[in-house]
Amino acid sequence: DGGITQSPKYLFRKEGQNVTLSCEQNLNHDAMYWYRQDPGQGLRLIYYSQIVNDFQKGDIAEGYSVSREKKESFPLTVTSAQKNPTAFYLCASSIDHGTAYGYTFGSGTRLTVV
Amino acid sequence: DQQVKQNSPSLSVQEGRISILNCDYTNSMFDYFLWYKKYPAEGPTFLISISSIKDKNEDGRFTVFLNKSAKHLSLHIVPSQPGDSAVYFCAANSSPYGQNFVFGPGTRLSVLP
Repeated sequence: DGGITQSPKYLFRKEGQNVTLSCEQNLNHDAMYWYRQDPGQGLRLIYYSQIVNDFQKGDIAEGYSVSREKKESFPLTVTSAQKNPTAFYLCASSIDHGTAYGYTFGSGTRLTVV
Repeated sequence: DQQVKQNSPSLSVQEGRISILNCDYTNSMFDYFLWYKKYPAEGPTFLISISSIKDKNEDGRFTVFLNKSAKHLSLHIVPSQPGDSAVYFCAANSSPYGQNFVFGPGTRLSVLP
């Protein structure tokens, strides 16, 4: 079955540590996205990538980094510079950069800083 | 300041009745609107869309209405079923293209048997 897989589902991090969230898709989608959701707020775009080896900052990129070495994979690193990293993180992909109608979302990773 | 608002965090409806989920936006440049549905422990899935050239779009039990002058849209589910219980997100953009969609905070719908 084609889909998009995020791991782990729950992640705990100590303050000052970097942590990497995994996102893998086997849909042959070109574009991939990372969103963050906080209680009472909508999804906010962190980074997106339209093609391998290229990515762009979204609205709240500070304290995050990404890579896109393979079409299937778009890992997100939450660095120690991110002041409030506790949140729910969603990865998405689409067949091209052209439309949000074809977004496929992963099931999310809940990150908690302890 | 949130550009897309869903002022009801939750809504409960009896099975068989109509569910109406509301969404308001502030940016008059928004022309494309999406509704996504999210079950617990799953990612959101696309439900229905509308662009500003229409004021209504229907897909089975789901209808989205757009009132551009009021900057308001609503999702109607008729008849509501227990399987519709989920969180519904509204999203808006000035173009149909991907990364600039602004999402609302979501409304949790509970359909009671």
